[in-house]
Amino acid sequence: DTGVSQDPRHKITKRGQNVTFRCDPISEHNRLYWYRQTLGQGPEFLTYFQNEAQLEKSRLLSDRFSAERPKGSFSTLEIQRTEQGDSAMYLCASTKGRYEQYFGPGTRLTVT
Amino acid sequence: RKEVEQDPGPFNVPEGATVAFNCTYSNSASQSFFWYRQDCRKEPKLLMSVYSSGNEDGRFTAQLNRASQYISLLIRDSKLSDSATYLCVVNDAGGTSYGKLTFGQGTILTVHP
Repeated sequence: DTGVSQDPRHKITKRGQNVTFRCDPISEHNRLYWYRQTLGQGPEFLTYFQNEAQLEKSRLLSDRFSAERPKGSFSTLEIQRTEQGDSAMYLCASTKGRYEQYFGPGTRLTVT
Repeated sequence: RKEVEQDPGPFNVPEGATVAFNCTYSNSASQSFFWYRQDCRKEPKLLMSVYSSGNEDGRFTAQLNRASQYISLLIRDSKLSDSATYLCVVNDAGGTSYGKLTFGQGTILTVHP
């Protein structure tokens, strides 16, 4: 499969724990985006990487959230001290150009 | 005011019906516009781009009115397989926005036999 992949697909964690998600974009795509989607809402932008540089961060990305893309290929999103409000679907998307973004299947996080 | 607003529906229509979805956006500097489709518990997938001249792809027609900041999607001859959430999406690809997508909340469509 040459699409965007995300791991894990589902994560259940207890409040206060740290979690890390991984995204592997389409191989030739240099732009990578993270979004968060809660029930009944459209996805909301979290952060953007061009190659390994993190160029934009949403105000939604509190200091408990950190994202990296160390070699300009895969990316990780870490949430520290998870809260129940962090429960959502975390989507990764990649693109080579400036327009169509291809989404991965998402990681569904449940914080209990 | 939300940046992209859609009627959340739900829309329940019989097979063969024509259904129209509307969307408004607040940023007049927005440059690219799309409709994405999202099936239940799946990722969004691009349905079609939207151009000022209007564009058609089979049973689907999209229109953009920049002056009114209004986007529409028309689905003709609805099929059961069209049941999904339709997301109106704006890309502020100019300036320093780096191409992030801004989504509406989605409009739920259910097509029944």
